[in-house]
Amino acid sequence: SQQGEEDPQALSIQEGENATMNCSYKTSINNLQWYRQNSGRGLVHLILIRSNEREKHSGRLRVTLDTSKKSSSLLITASRAADTASYFCATEGAGSYQLTFGKGTKLSVIP
Amino acid sequence: NAGVTQTPKFRVLKTGQSMTLLCAQDMNHEYMYWYRQDPGMGLRLIHYSVGEGTTAKGEVPDGYNVSRLKKQNFLLGLESAAPSQTSVYFCASSPAGSGASLFGPGTRLTVL
Repeated sequence: SQQGEEDPQALSIQEGENATMNCSYKTSINNLQWYRQNSGRGLVHLILIRSNEREKHSGRLRVTLDTSKKSSSLLITASRAADTASYFCATEGAGSYQLTFGKGTKLSVIP
Repeated sequence: NAGVTQTPKFRVLKTGQSMTLLCAQDMNHEYMYWYRQDPGMGLRLIHYSVGEGTTAKGEVPDGYNVSRLKKQNFLLGLESAAPSQTSVYFCASSPAGSGASLFGPGTRLTVL
């Protein structure tokens, strides 16, 4: 069964707006990762946040992690048309070698 | 570095045929993974390997076998393909310990 669940399933915004995606998970984790997938392509790693971290930034990306609520959010600021893609959260379970993926959020950025 | 490569990119099989998907990485990563992705779904782990000569089952291992004879290669085999195995297959690798996975471009498999 899938550990992470993203919300919303789909999001459509205008270029320049911010996009926020949420991820909830069920069990204890070592870390949580966000990936992007352009249509028909492989996944690209965006950012990793460890269980003892609360917030992390990378360029226009900001990720938060709340382990008490078992949830994370990904914020993309000043979105661009090129940000159009599906975004997946993935959790590495405590003591596990495996990543468990959610079903993703499909983001459309309208020029 | 080429990163993670997958062979073939596309394949059409008939029910009952067998095939092997090849994944190769030149990053000297210890861990390698095979996932499948179905429409509207995230990735589900089929099998994984934490080192040369070792393999383990993931979430959906039935109908698949794997081998990791060399550190840089991870093979996924379908002994008797079924239509339910129609999917896009992704290979990934990562360094030992917690870290980001590097994904291949995928193999689109159709079983008729």
